[in-house]
Amino acid sequence: KNQVEQSPQSLIILEGKNCTLQCNYTVSPFSNLRWYKQDTGRGPVSLTIMTFSENTKSNGRYTATLDADTKQSSLHITASQLSDSASYICVVSDRGSTLGRLYFGRGTQLTVWP
Amino acid sequence: EADIYQTPRYLVIGTGKKITLECSQTMGHDKMYWYQQDPGMELHLIHYSYGVNSTEKGDLSSESTVSRIRTEHFPLTLESARPSHTSQYLCASSEVKASGRLGTGELFFGEGSRLTVL
Repeated sequence: KNQVEQSPQSLIILEGKNCTLQCNYTVSPFSNLRWYKQDTGRGPVSLTIMTFSENTKSNGRYTATLDADTKQSSLHITASQLSDSASYICVVSDRGSTLGRLYFGRGTQLTVWP
Repeated sequence: EADIYQTPRYLVIGTGKKITLECSQTMGHDKMYWYQQDPGMELHLIHYSYGVNSTEKGDLSSESTVSRIRTEHFPLTLESARPSHTSQYLCASSEVKASGRLGTGELFFGEGSRLTVL
């Protein structure tokens, strides 16, 4: 069964600190892995998309890594800000027709305290 | 900022009422989706569409129905709402890249419609 598991389920950090969120998946055949940020009560917004050949991608203070061999990804947030408080969702796509099926993780709820 | 809009953002209604959640996008995307999301849980696909006059059921069984008469519009309807339909409903669209190639297929989400059925 294709699955996406995220850890930790929730995380509290102080403003200015760094943190790393984890995503393990069993989806096969793999097409791409995405990280989304979802603010409370809002729709998810894309942070990064990585294909099989990419092992790191940055978007400002967000850096995602991918190890396709071990089927693990991480999202590193540098110098956290209060606005980083949100749920971070890992999504893996299999190599389907045009888009492929998407497998969603349950998200990591990040809270940044002042 | 994605050009995809959902209305209403919040809706509280009584059991048995008919409701329609609206979703519109101005990006010209062919593929559109409806997801259902409960607190702390993953998004579940309930409907999707490849284009005009195309609708398919997703992975999660749903009593809702959808229609795609125009490219930009993908409304979701519940004929008789029940408390079990209380949830967050997210609409999304994606661009299909050139034929013969897998595109990034990036999803653009609306802000969501939070439905509460009393």
